[in-house]
Amino acid sequence: EAGVAQSPRYKIIEKRQSVAFWCNPISGHATLYWYQQILGQGPKLLIQFQNNGVVDDSQLPKDRFSAERLKGVDSTLKIQPAKLEDSAVYLCASSYPVEGGDEQFFGPGTRLTVL
Amino acid sequence: AQKITQTQPGMFVQEKEAVTLDCTYDTSDPSYGLFWYKQPSSGEMIFLIYQGSYDQQNATEGRYSLNFQKARKSANLVISASQLGDSAMYFCAMREGIGGGFKTIFGAGTRLFVKA
Repeated sequence: EAGVAQSPRYKIIEKRQSVAFWCNPISGHATLYWYQQILGQGPKLLIQFQNNGVVDDSQLPKDRFSAERLKGVDSTLKIQPAKLEDSAVYLCASSYPVEGGDEQFFGPGTRLTVL
Repeated sequence: AQKITQTQPGMFVQEKEAVTLDCTYDTSDPSYGLFWYKQPSSGEMIFLIYQGSYDQQNATEGRYSLNFQKARKSANLVISASQLGDSAMYFCAMREGIGGGFKTIFGAGTRLFVKA
């Protein structure tokens, strides 16, 4: 079974530029998550999709961040314009909701450096 | 208020010994789940173990066990017979209900160092 795919793996941009990340979840997983993990901290949920609907985006800085999940499969996360404090690893995860613990499967992440 | 608290920024353990990583949580939702993930230096997040709030017995997965004390709102991870490959960051996470769905919140993590 293929895991969660993310691209690119690394990205370096200057502040005020735009950047987009892509995520392909595990086939059949209805729930998709985007997390931001700043160095030395735990992952922080940015947005959670159930199929192609948003379940939670309360911690997404909507003035600069946007995300979409077309057709309930792939997802893109965009930052426009980027700030220095956006430097972090952006993790995508997916899960298949089951009664009890829906284990999240994580992708390798995209490491963003904003100069 | 912190939803998930991991009070140990770093822990050292001798190879082959057991170690306990602490986690306390805060929720008013009667139905919730607790997870532990491992993050090696390579960066990937690896699921280790899950405990549901209604589970009567502590969860175990191989060398990992979860010491669930519901009244104290603690969910400590116990790793038995530590191995050098266990050196990594460990995150405790809680899944609680929001509206019609669920939200997962992670703690700040504990870095475990296993000494030979």
